[in-house]
Amino acid sequence: QKEVEQNSGPLSVPEGAIASLNCTYSDRGSQSFFWYRQYSGKSPELIMSIYSNGDKEDGRFTAQLNKASQYVSLLIRDSQPSDSATYLCAVASSGSARQLTFGSGTQLTVLP
Amino acid sequence: DTAVSQTPKYLVTQMGNDKSIKCEQNLGHDTMYWYKQDSKKFLKIMFSYNNKELIINETVPNRFSPKSPDKAHLNLHINSLELGDSAVYFCASSQQNSPLHFGNGTRLTVT
Repeated sequence: QKEVEQNSGPLSVPEGAIASLNCTYSDRGSQSFFWYRQYSGKSPELIMSIYSNGDKEDGRFTAQLNKASQYVSLLIRDSQPSDSATYLCAVASSGSARQLTFGSGTQLTVLP
Repeated sequence: DTAVSQTPKYLVTQMGNDKSIKCEQNLGHDTMYWYKQDSKKFLKIMFSYNNKELIINETVPNRFSPKSPDKAHLNLHINSLELGDSAVYFCASSQQNSPLHFGNGTRLTVT
């Protein structure tokens, strides 16, 4: 059984702070890793993808991957109230998105 | 232009009824999916079709039957609805190794 674990939160940070979201996965053969953001009542939207060890930065978002530790994280710098949402970690066992396993999500609240 | 569209957005029905949810994508993707999201926000894959052929069929009751008339459409038919079927159902699509694009979801409530 492939599992993806996330701290469900809620995680609260003040505006302007760094929000750190963590995810661990059980399948060592996992190749692709994604972070989705889901606002309440809306569909998940992709914000980051990462495929190799290390950091990947996109604007205020940084994804970090450590395959040896089976750990992937998302950092949000200069957090804004508009970042308040549930963040879903998703892991694919092959290079394809066809077999994505999602974590249960971390609810983030950015306090003004 | 809506990339992945599903209808209806809300569906309220009684136990025992049969209902369908429709999904269409105009992205030219070759793979479409149905996901179920429960009240705890847990997203779980139900089915995946690649070019109209079923490639993923997770453990779901056989009351759920997907149908793909062409690679741009994937419909979900549910027979004999039960209370536990209440959830948000998301259609999604992808192309080869690209990430998923989700539809807006159908909130199903079974009373």
